[in-house]
Amino acid sequence: QQPVQSPQAVILREGEDAVINCSSSKALYSVHWYRQKHGEAPVFLMILLKGGEQKGHEKISASFNEKKQQSSLYLTASQLSYSGTYFCGTETPDKLIFGTGTRLQVFP
Amino acid sequence: DAGVIQSPRHEVTEMGQEVTLRCKPISGHNSLFWYRQTMMRGLELLIYFNNNVPIDDSGMPEDRFSAKMPNASFSTLKIQPSEPRDSAVYFCASSLVARANVLTFGAGSRLTVL
Repeated sequence: QQPVQSPQAVILREGEDAVINCSSSKALYSVHWYRQKHGEAPVFLMILLKGGEQKGHEKISASFNEKKQQSSLYLTASQLSYSGTYFCGTETPDKLIFGTGTRLQVFP
Repeated sequence: DAGVIQSPRHEVTEMGQEVTLRCKPISGHNSLFWYRQTMMRGLELLIYFNNNVPIDDSGMPEDRFSAKMPNASFSTLKIQPSEPRDSAVYFCASSLVARANVLTFGAGSRLTVL
């Protein structure tokens, strides 16, 4: 029931790109993305409501393939501030279940 | 807006003791969620309320856990008796509506049961 994220961890140099994938076994109403920095609460990044829709937040964007029940988060030209754990959240349809998380570390 | 307020921030207790975690959601938000976060299981949804009514408590681990929302501005999560495996960070979050809406999380309550 919990969506599966891949990869589990990513290490980047500043300026590099990364893709985080989220896959669910259930039909999705929407997909949310949150970022959690160490010792802090998760913070909302974006929500995708329609299949195939892409949303953007600074240099972070996401896509949602409703048929495949998948979403991907794209981080372009990563910055040190992007470090943290990224969670996808899937609504099925009346509660938000978070994925396993992807830990992203960006080094200078 | 003060955001979602949780207390206590840290709680250390001994096995068998009762633990009560508190949450004040953002004013005007109609939905409130309790999540538990551990390294092994990630962020688990325990229970959520809509307009103060519990909608889904299927994530509550066992009868030792209970949650209440007596009014729109206050919720509690109680563990009685507590066990070491309950050690985790407990987050409360609120949103305007239950579906397709942004969750705002509180800072969390870190519980350690010895």
